[in-house]
Amino acid sequence: DAKTTQPTSMDCAEGRAANLPCNHSTISGNEYVYWYRQIHSQGPQYIIHGLKNNETNEMASLIITEDRKSSTLILPHATLRDTAVYYCIVRPYNTDKLIFGTGTRLQVFP
Amino acid sequence: GAVVSQHPSRVICKSGTSVKIECRSLDFQATTMFWYRQFPKQSLMLMATSNEGSKATYEQGVEKDKFLINHASLTLSTLTVTSAHPEDSSFYICSARRGRAGETQYFGPGTRLLVL
Repeated sequence: DAKTTQPTSMDCAEGRAANLPCNHSTISGNEYVYWYRQIHSQGPQYIIHGLKNNETNEMASLIITEDRKSSTLILPHATLRDTAVYYCIVRPYNTDKLIFGTGTRLQVFP
Repeated sequence: GAVVSQHPSRVICKSGTSVKIECRSLDFQATTMFWYRQFPKQSLMLMATSNEGSKATYEQGVEKDKFLINHASLTLSTLTVTSAHPEDSSFYICSARRGRAGETQYFGPGTRLLVL
């Protein structure tokens, strides 16, 4: 079973920031938080991952709370092409198994 | 970047035939590749882990004789669905990892299989 809880769906206006929350209250000290997204009928796309510190790359920012029990993925300026299902996944650092939950369906509207 | 391709992107076959799906890492060497299956409106489920030059490790409930996996090189893994039946119709997705266990996995675009 997935160790994360995400809202089923969210809406965001184009050009605004999309903030996608994820709860992982049972996370262990050696587990990373990964974010992938899946656009309809495509394979998942890697977005970002982190352990303790906040992370930023060209796609998004990842904010992890100090107690690591939750995190937020931020898409700073959402576009229509960001409409997708976003998966938050917790994974131990030295293992490969990714357990996908149901994710958050983000709809970006004009 | 880390690009993973799959071929074919979609395939339609008759019940009882076998179908081979290829997964390639285009710009890196993948010591380990993974095969997932996704049914409509469901999430991805890991089927098996494939290491170059060794036998694949299958997840519980996945028939190894039905889903044959070969990882002959550091850039190619194949999944063969043998004697396919309509219930095998699904979206098959591979991913590839470079480096050691725990490194980021990069996914292919997926192969949609329809068995008539």
